[in-house]
Amino acid sequence: DIQMAQSPSSLSASVGDTVTITCRASQNIDRYLNWYQQKPGTAPKLLIYVASGVQSGVPSRFSGSGSGTDFTLTISSLQPEDFATYYCQQSYGTRRSFGGGTKVEIK
Amino acid sequence: EVQLLTSGGGLVRPGGSLRLSCTASGFTFSTYNMHWVRQAPGKGLEWVSYITSGSSYIEYADSVKGRFTVSRDNAKKSLYLQMDNLGAEDTAVYYCAREAGDSGFYFDYWGHGILVTVSS
Repeated sequence: DIQMAQSPSSLSASVGDTVTITCRASQNIDRYLNWYQQKPGTAPKLLIYVASGVQSGVPSRFSGSGSGTDFTLTISSLQPEDFATYYCQQSYGTRRSFGGGTKVEIK
Repeated sequence: EVQLLTSGGGLVRPGGSLRLSCTASGFTFSTYNMHWVRQAPGKGLEWVSYITSGSSYIEYADSVKGRFTVSRDNAKKSLYLQMDNLGAEDTAVYYCAREAGDSGFYFDYWGHGILVTVSS
């Protein structure tokens, strides 16, 4: 199975900051990496697909990059509505495993 | 509008069974692969199961293999998860998710989630 490791597990940031979350796969997954945002009590929401594709309706301050085993989610100019938990997910293997999550909190 | 409506959750005793349903609307259900994902209280997302559009391929996480059975009825636009021999570790919110596959594979729509509690 492909294991996904996210870091950090949590971070504190201020409105307007640029935030970077990393995700590392246990093997080469090409660009088959997705990012989701989840707020308490709600279902996850797709942000980024295939490493860098921005889902329709997602603000342009969200961007993704990477290939192979190392990937990054960047949130530029953090907004109040961005405080949430973020998950990466690989879709290279049929068992679509997730990273452990990164909780972005208000400083 | 794409909607995934989940039902069938609730409280069940250890060793018991439960069947979750996920009913789709707003898209051609029969052409999409579907997944189940769960989230234990205060924990992260755990992928559970996968079924292709025509049910030709099915996959399970090791944690549920042999106890859970995924199926679908395309005529009823419904996805199912039969859960047997449940244990406390299966307590979680369960989500169904549609997988888009045009330029990669990703979960573009999720159901609202339904709570399954395994407790005596």
